[in-house]
Amino acid sequence: GAGVSQSPSNKVTEKGKDVELRCDPISGHTALYWYRQSLGQGLEFLIYFQGNSAPDKSGLPSDRFSAERTGGSVSTLTIQRTQQEDSAVYLCASSLNFAGGKADTQYFGPGTRLTVL
Amino acid sequence: AQSVSQHNHHVILSEAASLELGCNYSYGGTVNLFWYVQYPGQHLQLLLKYFSGDPLVKGIKGFEAEFIKSKFSFNLRKPSVQWSDTAEYFCAVKHSGGYQKVTFGTGTKLQVIP
Repeated sequence: GAGVSQSPSNKVTEKGKDVELRCDPISGHTALYWYRQSLGQGLEFLIYFQGNSAPDKSGLPSDRFSAERTGGSVSTLTIQRTQQEDSAVYLCASSLNFAGGKADTQYFGPGTRLTVL
Repeated sequence: AQSVSQHNHHVILSEAASLELGCNYSYGGTVNLFWYVQYPGQHLQLLLKYFSGDPLVKGIKGFEAEFIKSKFSFNLRKPSVQWSDTAEYFCAVKHSGGYQKVTFGTGTKLQVIP
């Protein structure tokens, strides 16, 4: 079956512009995560959606970052007034996220490489 | 809040050497534990995971990890590495109750020299 897809695969933008990154999770996965991967910085958690619950936004680095998940499926990460330090690979992952404690697997997309000039 | 520590940021080994990558977490409750791997140019993918039961977990490609609750550790091991194991390895932890998010460590880059 189809995995997690992200678009665009690459995005080059000028400083100060807004960008939108899209994630299509695996069908039926209730949990969706956004991460940022920068050189030398590892995997930085940004935001987590679980079903219809309020998202966990604790990882968003500033109020320029926001994300939505429509209909429990597709998610869009928006970065307003981009800065050069926003340059990174933005990864999306989805999982079934069992509530009973079973260790569910996250499935990652290929990422969007964002370059802010 | 829980945290995950991977103390080795960059490891260089020769082929056939043994590997152990450290992972420690801060949460004292019941946890699920994961190792993910990212090969060059590829997606992050699951290597192995611990849910319950036998604390020694075996994963793909000859990797294993041991959950030691008293040490809050979940170290990754492989007795003999290959050049193809060159990748970045991430440890991750999740509280096992309710709908909890996963917390990742900062990753360890492994370079295996032929």
